[in-house]
Amino acid sequence: KAGVTQTPRYLIKTRGQQVTLSCSPISGHRSVSWYQQTPGQGLQFLFEYFSETQRNKGNFPGRFSGRQFSNSRSEMNVSTLELGDSALYLCASRPGLQQETQYFGPGTRLLVL
Amino acid sequence: AQSVSQHNHHVILSEAASLELGCNYSYGGTVNLFWYVQYPGQHLQLLLKYFSGDPLVKGIKGFEAEFIKSKFSFNLRKPSVQWSDTAEYFCAVTLQTGANNLFFGTGTRLTVIP
Repeated sequence: KAGVTQTPRYLIKTRGQQVTLSCSPISGHRSVSWYQQTPGQGLQFLFEYFSETQRNKGNFPGRFSGRQFSNSRSEMNVSTLELGDSALYLCASRPGLQQETQYFGPGTRLLVL
Repeated sequence: AQSVSQHNHHVILSEAASLELGCNYSYGGTVNLFWYVQYPGQHLQLLLKYFSGDPLVKGIKGFEAEFIKSKFSFNLRKPSVQWSDTAEYFCAVTLQTGANNLFFGTGTRLTVIP
């Protein structure tokens, strides 16, 4: 099976812009989670989607949003970018919402100038 | 507050040395425990996991971890490291009930000197 894929892999934006990142889960996986990785804060949970519904949300401002499509692909959007949003954004998938291992994609590295 | 602590931020070892990375968590409920590894330029990969049963868990590449419930710990061990083990290691926890997203520790960077 192909792994979790994320596009784009690298992105440069300026403050105030918005950005959309995409994640395709492993085939058959219906749950997609998003995490932000920064040197200062480490890995932090953003949100999780299952069956096109947000099931769980981390402690991030409303500028961070996401959605999931019927084919389980997910997008996350960050509006009004700030310098502090520069990070590696990781997507992870798992079959459902039960006690299952999450498998991570390579991430999208976002640089905000 | 819920937290995962990895006290070693950077560990430097020579090849063939033994490794132990500490991980302690602070959660009120029953947890699942994970160690993930991030090799330079690569994505996070699962090393091993503990859900229930034998508290000594064996993972890939010769790694193992022991869950000690009384100490809220899940330390990662390897008897003899190789240069290729150079990577960042993350301990993570999910709750067995309710929202079960991963809570990560801050990571431990391991450098193995040939």
